[in-house]
Parts: sequence; structure tokens; C-alpha cells
Amino acid sequence: AQRVTQPEKLLSVFKGAPVELKCNYSYSGSPELFWYVQYSRQRLQLLLRHISRESIKGFTADLNKGETSFHLKKPFAQEEDSAMYYCALRAAGNKLTFGGGTRVLVKP
Amino acid sequence: EPEVTQTPSHQVTQMGQEVILRCVPISNHLYFYWYRQILGQKVEFLVSFYNNEISEKSEIFDDQFSVERPDGSNFTLKIRSTKLEDSAMYFCASIGLAGPLGQFFGPGTRLTVL
Repeated sequence: AQRVTQPEKLLSVFKGAPVELKCNYSYSGSPELFWYVQYSRQRLQLLLRHISRESIKGFTADLNKGETSFHLKKPFAQEEDSAMYYCALRAAGNKLTFGGGTRVLVKP
Repeated sequence: EPEVTQTPSHQVTQMGQEVILRCVPISNHLYFYWYRQILGQKVEFLVSFYNNEISEKSEIFDDQFSVERPDGSNFTLKIRSTKLEDSAMYFCASIGLAGPLGQFFGPGTRLTVL
């Protein structure tokens, strides 16, 4: 069975500081990993997918199969980055397995 | 940009009543999902639906739950006899093609069972 762990429930950083959200997974097959973001009173939105190796809103995430991790990073946090962030794994069958989420609070 | 929509945004019901949560997926999408999130807990997969049938369901999705795509646009989740523990946010999601693409989520329906 697949599992996604986000060890931090809350990350509080100052504007301009780096932020890293940890995500670890367990899955016996070849995983597809995603980061979703949920801004206040808004829906879950796809932020990043590992297959694209893209940078969105300054965020990047690298899949490390050796460490079974998919940490999300941004070098300079902005106040508008304050949100809930969910790491998710897509296994066979397309369903998503989510981590518990990390609330990011960027202070001015 | 097309979006998944869900109605109602908030549903309050008495324990033992039936509720139907409605979703309109993005029009050319083929795969549909329901997830739920109990307050303070993880987003959990309930069921996936493709080609007019359930393709996968979780342990949570017992006989009290059913899904339907009655008219080619709506995708509904029915809970026959609600329990207090069914109180949660219910999210609908859809995707056009299987594969490494993220699912598109609706805004959710908050279900409160009294």
C-alpha cells in the first residue's frame, strides 16, 4: 500500500526566507508525485508534478527515489505563498494518496 | 478556464437521512473521483469512476455510498443513511486522460450531519 508523509504540520517563515516542505513516500512501484496547494477558501490546485520538472511560482521539487522524498522548495518565500500544501502520490489506478498537509505561514 | 463545480457548497442533514452531493466535471474529462476530508485529517480517496462504472473504491466506500453519472454532465455521490462520522468536506475531481497529470478538483461540499 502507498503512503505519503508530511512531517511538518506548520511552517512559519519570514518573507524572503527560504522554505522547504518535506514529503516522504512509500510505494513499491514507480511513483508519480504531485504537490497541491490550497489557498484560503479556495479549491485544491495542482502546483507541481514531478514528471514535468518545472518551476511554478518559484517552487521546485525533485524526486529522490533513493530517499523516497519529494520535497518542495522555494528560495525566497512571499506572503502570497501562505497556504496549505499537500504532497500526493498517484499509484496504479489513478487515485491520489495525500499526505496530511503542511500549513505555510509567511510573515511580513 | 474550465473548472469542476460542486453543489451545494454546504449541506446540513440529520443523521439517517439521505444526501446527494453533485459535481459537474470538466466537460471533456473521462475519469471522475470523489475524495473526502474529515476536519483536521488527510484528504482520502473514496471512489473512481470511468466508462460509467466504478473502477476503484476504498474501504470507506461501503454500501451506504453510491455514485452515478445520470446525464453525461453530472456526477453524483449519494450517501443513503448518513452517520455523524460522514461529516466532512467532499471533493470531486476529474481528469481527461490517465497518466501523470494532476487531477482537477472542485471547491468541495461541506457536509454536516447532526
